[in-house]
Amino acid sequence: DAGITQSPRHKVTETGTPVTLRCHQTENHRYMYWYRQDPGHGLRLIHYSYGVKDTDKGEVSDGYSVSRSKTEDFLLTLESATSSQTSVYFCATGTPSRRSNQPQHFGDGTRLSIL
Amino acid sequence: GESVGLHLPTLSVQEGDNSIINCAYSNSASDYFIWYKQESGKGPQFIIDIRSNMDKRQGQRVTVLLNKTVKHLSLQIAATQPGDSAVYFCAEILQTGANNLFFGTGTRLTVIP
Repeated sequence: DAGITQSPRHKVTETGTPVTLRCHQTENHRYMYWYRQDPGHGLRLIHYSYGVKDTDKGEVSDGYSVSRSKTEDFLLTLESATSSQTSVYFCATGTPSRRSNQPQHFGDGTRLSIL
Repeated sequence: GESVGLHLPTLSVQEGDNSIINCAYSNSASDYFIWYKQESGKGPQFIIDIRSNMDKRQGQRVTVLLNKTVKHLSLQIAATQPGDSAVYFCAEILQTGANNLFFGTGTRLTVIP
């Protein structure tokens, strides 16, 4: 959908290790987002970007950092993974419109397990 | 958003029937709402949106109704098909902005052939 590729699709790692998830888009959308999805919760925003090198925190940003050096790539890094960060991570993109800047296109997710 | 719990609310409908999925939102100041569909193993897919100055909006086989008085949103799917089986989320936005979108926990729709 909308040319969004997340990698890896699945990852298992150990507590305390660094983890980087990658989101690549081919649609030249200005906005990019990282969400996590957990049972009992709706999707929750971790960080978002409104342009190259322009990022901001979302609702659950603690323990995560992001970088956007090119329009098409948005990286999410867990500097020292904890078991509470076991989740499914979704990248999304969006373009400013008359209605909103909200995400309209999502990737298929990365399932991350931290043991 | 919708009630939070360990298990998603579920709705089962017969193929060909109409489906109505409900969502109660929490903030009376929310002025924009979106419905997403999520199939198993996939990311959410934008279905339809509505602004708070409207009470109804129609798309292809889908209609969203907004009742601001009781803070209720519904998604109606006409002539439900097996391909409509998925989890449906409503999301509310307090005001236009990239970090103000809040998702409900979703409703799992199962279409019985």
